[in-house]
Amino acid sequence: QSVLTQPPSASGTPGQRVTISCSGSSSNIGSNYVHWYQHLPPGTAPKVLIYRNNQRPSGVPDRFFGSKSGTSASLAISGLRSEDEADYYCAAWDDSLSRVVFGGGTKLTVL
Amino acid sequence: QVQLQESGPGLVKPSETLSLICTVSGGSITSYYWSWIRQPPGKGLEWIGHIYYTGSTHYNPSLKSRVTTSLDTSKNQFSLNLSSVTAADTAVYYCARELTPAGFDSWGQGALVTVSS
Repeated sequence: QSVLTQPPSASGTPGQRVTISCSGSSSNIGSNYVHWYQHLPPGTAPKVLIYRNNQRPSGVPDRFFGSKSGTSASLAISGLRSEDEADYYCAAWDDSLSRVVFGGGTKLTVL
Repeated sequence: QVQLQESGPGLVKPSETLSLICTVSGGSITSYYWSWIRQPPGKGLEWIGHIYYTGSTHYNPSLKSRVTTSLDTSKNQFSLNLSSVTAADTAVYYCARELTPAGFDSWGQGALVTVSS
């Protein structure tokens, strides 16, 4: 059981907007930055999509939007494209556990 | 753009020590944190620990008794040793640069390590 809770799956059709949630607690999301990662099929390196709650690294399209409120965070993907089909993970530092914690991952399917 | 590449044996026997090296190119390891993360088959990501460029370390409490990491600045590499492995340690192991806690901006492609006799 992951410390951060994500829905196991999400789906949408091309062009739609999809939101993936990440729920935590006061010791992780509530007091630290949240980061989001995209992980394409095995053999590829995970890629940071959102850094420090809502910052997009250079090269990440503005279709990806991160937000945080209290002990929860969300990743929104607009204008869904087939190449967005991947696993998405949220991550944060947990002050109580004294370690990095990840969500269980959300598998996004583009129908 | 910094690039990372894991290397090491793909098969380790139970009770032995898993050893991996991460070679960094396009940037120096004399700054930032350098982390190890793993993903068991069919499961999510698990943070193993990180080493700061000064040599200070911090490990996942659940693995702390079995993990050691080190830096080799002359080769721009850092390494992971995980002792007394069992089948539960079978996973894809990733190395990554950690700019801020849980903020990994560059990752290696991953190395599958299987624990089996």
